[in-house]
Amino acid sequence: DAKTTQPPSMDCAEGRAANLPCNHSTISGNEYVYWYRQIHSQGPQYIIHGLKNNETNEMASLIITEDRKSSTLILPHATLRDTAVYYCIVSSDTGRRALTFGSGTRLQVQP
Amino acid sequence: DGGITQSPKYLFRKEGQNVTLSCEQNLNHDAMYWYRQDPGQGLRLIYYSQIVNDFQKGDIAEGYSVSREKKESFPLTVTSAQKNPTAFYLCASSRLGANEKLFFGSGTQLSVL
Repeated sequence: DAKTTQPPSMDCAEGRAANLPCNHSTISGNEYVYWYRQIHSQGPQYIIHGLKNNETNEMASLIITEDRKSSTLILPHATLRDTAVYYCIVSSDTGRRALTFGSGTRLQVQP
Repeated sequence: DGGITQSPKYLFRKEGQNVTLSCEQNLNHDAMYWYRQDPGQGLRLIYYSQIVNDFQKGDIAEGYSVSREKKESFPLTVTSAQKNPTAFYLCASSRLGANEKLFFGSGTQLSVL
């Protein structure tokens, strides 16, 4: 699976959009981009995933660049409850299916 | 309610002791996973299973053992061979197939006395 690079931490003001970047320059054609988040001392929670098209659901939007070498997770109106560690994962979802979680980005939403 | 239940939430191990962490799911998922998380770090895969009576080693399987006798259950034993067992342990499950998302339990914090 391709490796991902994320900033270790970010701050965001409550009510503003949080834009979390992820680089995955070695991504291959059949690999998807997944985002999960982990609130302190809890299990990670799935947010969204995509292959090449932008995706949106009730939690967030995922913007993938045309060359697929990077992506951005957007939380449109961050709240204090969005404070968490956000993991960007790339996986082909074939063979061994278990996802590999790196260190992620610690997002702190400020009041 | 459907979900994954891990127990206990906190567990203490004495030197040389084996301990078993429980993971049960009622989501009818075929695949189950165990991850270890150290403070400030990401998750590392210990073992995973895609079918009853079969499981595969992950990246850090040494010092751990698992069983999958029932679809709903995937217990993890931390053996005395695991010299640094203090960590947060997370169990997850998913359906098989493309792009199936993982559902996680609330974790077990294991500490050594």
